[in-house]
Amino acid sequence: DAEITQSPRHKITETGRQVTLACHQTWNHNNMFWYRQDLGHGLRLIHYSYGVQDTNKGEVSDGYSVSRSNTEDLPLTLESAASSQTSVYFCASSATGTGGYEQYFGPGTRLTVT
Amino acid sequence: SQQGEEDPQALSIQEGENATMNCSYKTSINNLQWYRQNSGRGLVHLILIRSNEREKHSGRLRVTLDTSKKSSSLLITASRAADTASYFCATDPSTDKLIFGTGTRLQVFP
Repeated sequence: DAEITQSPRHKITETGRQVTLACHQTWNHNNMFWYRQDLGHGLRLIHYSYGVQDTNKGEVSDGYSVSRSNTEDLPLTLESAASSQTSVYFCASSATGTGGYEQYFGPGTRLTVT
Repeated sequence: SQQGEEDPQALSIQEGENATMNCSYKTSINNLQWYRQNSGRGLVHLILIRSNEREKHSGRLRVTLDTSKKSSSLLITASRAADTASYFCATDPSTDKLIFGTGTRLQVFP
């Protein structure tokens, strides 16, 4: 069965370190998204990609970067982790087309920056 | 900025009762979707309603959309303890990108 996975599931890191969160999907979806979820804010879009070599900034992109070298993966990098980036991170993917498609979510990565 | 806002923020009901959650949004949309999130898990898609639709059903779920009022409602009929979760609306104002609301926490007591 197709799926979307994230790793690690839990990560503790120190302020200033570079951290990369992995996202891998086997749906063969063109669209991939990264969100962060914090209490009181719901899900906020960090970065998204509509295909290989395409990346776009979302609502809260400062301090984050992504790259898309293949269809399956969209790693999220925190260049220099800050305590404000402590959060739960979700990756999602969807098909492309007019009218919209549902997004499939990964299980999340809980990141703590100390 | 949040596009959708759910109301109420929290809802507690007994098994067998109906649960209604509302979502308001700000700009025109292509479609509106509802998702469920169980504690500590990723979101799961429930239903999608397009801007030219007014009502949609899926099992015990009924979704309505009023584009003139920029609002939607999710009705869960005959609720079960397993329906306990957070529910989010998400709007698609452009090009496959979703904007999520802050969610409604539903607690269903056995």
